[in-house]
Amino acid sequence: QVQLQESGPRLVKPSETLSLICSVSGGSISPYYWSWIRQSPGKGLEWIGFIHYTGTTNYNPSLQSRVTMSVDTSKNQLSLTLKSVTAADTAVYFCTRDHGGYGANVVWYFDLWGRGSLITVSS
Amino acid sequence: DVQMTQSPSSLSASVGDRVTITCRAGRIIDNYLNWYQLKPGTAPKLLIYGASSLQSGVPSRFSGSGSGTDFTLTISSLQLEDFATYHCQQSYTPPFTFGPGTKVEIK
Repeated sequence: QVQLQESGPRLVKPSETLSLICSVSGGSISPYYWSWIRQSPGKGLEWIGFIHYTGTTNYNPSLQSRVTMSVDTSKNQLSLTLKSVTAADTAVYFCTRDHGGYGANVVWYFDLWGRGSLITVSS
Repeated sequence: DVQMTQSPSSLSASVGDRVTITCRAGRIIDNYLNWYQLKPGTAPKLLIYGASSLQSGVPSRFSGSGSGTDFTLTISSLQLEDFATYHCQQSYTPPFTFGPGTKVEIK
């Protein structure tokens, strides 16, 4: 079965860049959309954005200026970078496989999640 | 952004109880509403999509209803494995937003 695994440095210093990888096993990145979502005590669950396997992205406007997502179909991996982090970016970061698309009556939902990776921003 | 609220924020219940959780959207979102179950240290799980469609593999004791702005998640007979936090999420328009969650605890 398809599994998602988030990985990356668990501790990031303020003002630096957070980088995470989501490895997809047991299935292919195509033809899906993939999202990053984070959960922090202060802000609950927050959708960061999605990326299509073709590279098309849609970011949350609240983070758009600092976020970049990419996909590597040869490695079956997704990546997330968030620059200029502060303590407010401390959270558990999840990657998800999305059931979504553009068109009338398409209900977008996150049907598969990774376990999440706790990233702490601290000096 | 579409604001999502949930009530109650937490509840205590016993195995076998019927549990109802309410979610309200800040604007009409038709049936673009999903429900998730979260437990610490495990991958979150999709329960309901499109307000009332049961995700494959999810027990039939879970059901969803509603349309417009008001939605409900019902667990008909609570089981031990259902003690968790439940979040609603709107997919009517990006940015997709979540409710603050309802924690279901053992009485």
